[in-house]
Amino acid sequence: EAGVTQFPSHSVIEKGQTVTLRCDPISGHDNLYWYRRVMGKEIKFLLHFVKESKQDESGMPNNRFLAERTGGTYSTLKVQPAELEDSGVYFCASSQGALGQYFGPGTRLTVT
Amino acid sequence: LAKTTQPISMDSYEGQEVNITCSHNNIATNDYITWYQQFPSQGPRFIIQGYKTKVTNEVASLFIPADRKSSTLSLPRVSLSDTAVYYCLVGDMGGATNKLIFGTGTLLAVQP
Repeated sequence: EAGVTQFPSHSVIEKGQTVTLRCDPISGHDNLYWYRRVMGKEIKFLLHFVKESKQDESGMPNNRFLAERTGGTYSTLKVQPAELEDSGVYFCASSQGALGQYFGPGTRLTVT
Repeated sequence: LAKTTQPISMDSYEGQEVNITCSHNNIATNDYITWYQQFPSQGPRFIIQGYKTKVTNEVASLFIPADRKSSTLSLPRVSLSDTAVYYCLVGDMGGATNKLIFGTGTLLAVQP
C-alpha cells in the first residue's frame, strides 16, 4: 500500500512569489491534515480535512495560506504571497478514522 | 489538549532495552496516548497508540498506569537504526478535531 506522498520534496522561491504544495493521502483515508515545522520550532498543526470539508483550520497562520481538497482526494496548500517566515517543512498526514495519522515525507520550503 | 513532558535526550547501546517515559498530568478522559518516531528529513512515523494498561505491537510496547498521568514507550533490543526523535502525544482522537500537538520530543542516540 502506498503511503502519503507529497510534491515537491523541496521548493525554493523568492519572497512575494506563490507556491503550491500537493499532498496525496493514503487511498481511502477521509482525514487529511497539514502540519509545518519552521526552523528551530516544534511541528505545528495547520488544518484538518474530512473528505472535502475543512473540519478544523485553527492552525492556519494567516490569509496568505489557502488549503483545498476538491473531490476529497488530494489536497493542495497554496502560499500567496510567500514571506521569509513561511520557510520550513510542511507535512501532510492522513488517517482512516480518528486514530493513527500517517505522515508524508514533507516538503521543504525555502523563501529567499 | 493535554501537555506532555518527556526527556530531551537519551543515550543507549545496541541490544539494550530503552524505556522513554512521558508525563501527561492533565490527560482527559477521552484522550489517547500516541507515540511517533521521526528520522531526519522524514515525516513522523506512527509507532503505537493506547488508552490504558499495556499495548504491544511488532515494534514497541506502551505501558500506561491506572491513573494515566504518564506512559512509557519500551523499545526492545535497540539497534543503531533506532536513533531518532520520539514524540509522545495525547489527544481526544474521537473529538471534533484530531489535531496532534507535538512537543520537543526525545532524541534517542543509540551507540554501538
